[in-house]
Amino acid sequence: RKEVEQDPGPFNVPEGATVAFNCTYSNSASQSFFWYRQDCRKEPKLLMSVYSSGNEDGRFTAQLNRASQYISLLIRDSKLSDSATYLCVVNTNAGKSTFGDGTTLTVKP
Amino acid sequence: DTGVSQDPRHKITKRGQNVTFRCDPISEHNRLYWYRQTLGQGPEFLTYFQNEAQLEKSRLLSDRFSAERPKGSFSTLEIQRTEQGDSAMYLCASSLSTGSGGYTFGSGTRLTVV
Repeated sequence: RKEVEQDPGPFNVPEGATVAFNCTYSNSASQSFFWYRQDCRKEPKLLMSVYSSGNEDGRFTAQLNRASQYISLLIRDSKLSDSATYLCVVNTNAGKSTFGDGTTLTVKP
Repeated sequence: DTGVSQDPRHKITKRGQNVTFRCDPISEHNRLYWYRQTLGQGPEFLTYFQNEAQLEKSRLLSDRFSAERPKGSFSTLEIQRTEQGDSAMYLCASSLSTGSGGYTFGSGTRLTVV
């Protein structure tokens, strides 16, 4: 079993739709959590950190459920430019991050 | 500072040859990481440094791989006796030591072993 698991998708949604991705992690000692976005053949870029209290950045909302060991990302009012792969990332200590394999989103007109 | 720089962007090499990649992190970042990514997979951890000290190395990494960060600034990743299975994107990232702000990645070096 992988340390960080994501549904690979693809998720194909129309513009304006709301879409949610979930991610589960296996190490209960994990301390910090992130979502990254990766465009085709580009490097991953930090989208947002995920806090226990939940956090929002514009159309994006991230939530963490430590008891169930899952993280979610909600995208509202999807734009064509949101099409990308979304990577769930978990840090077990102040060192390395462990990445999921990503969920692919395609937003269609 | 323009971010994390990696060189070269692309490398094609024959099986059995040695290759070396370079990474220049963001200057204020004392942590530097190497990851490898293949198509359809997330980045896979290889190793990381805090300043010049190599603090962790993946058990998946064979003895053919070595990384250095001699002065705590730029880093090199060397692969000896390359194999076709080494073909991948090699990503370098840097961060502050707390790690709470996530990583900044370079554009990567795409290695093709023929």
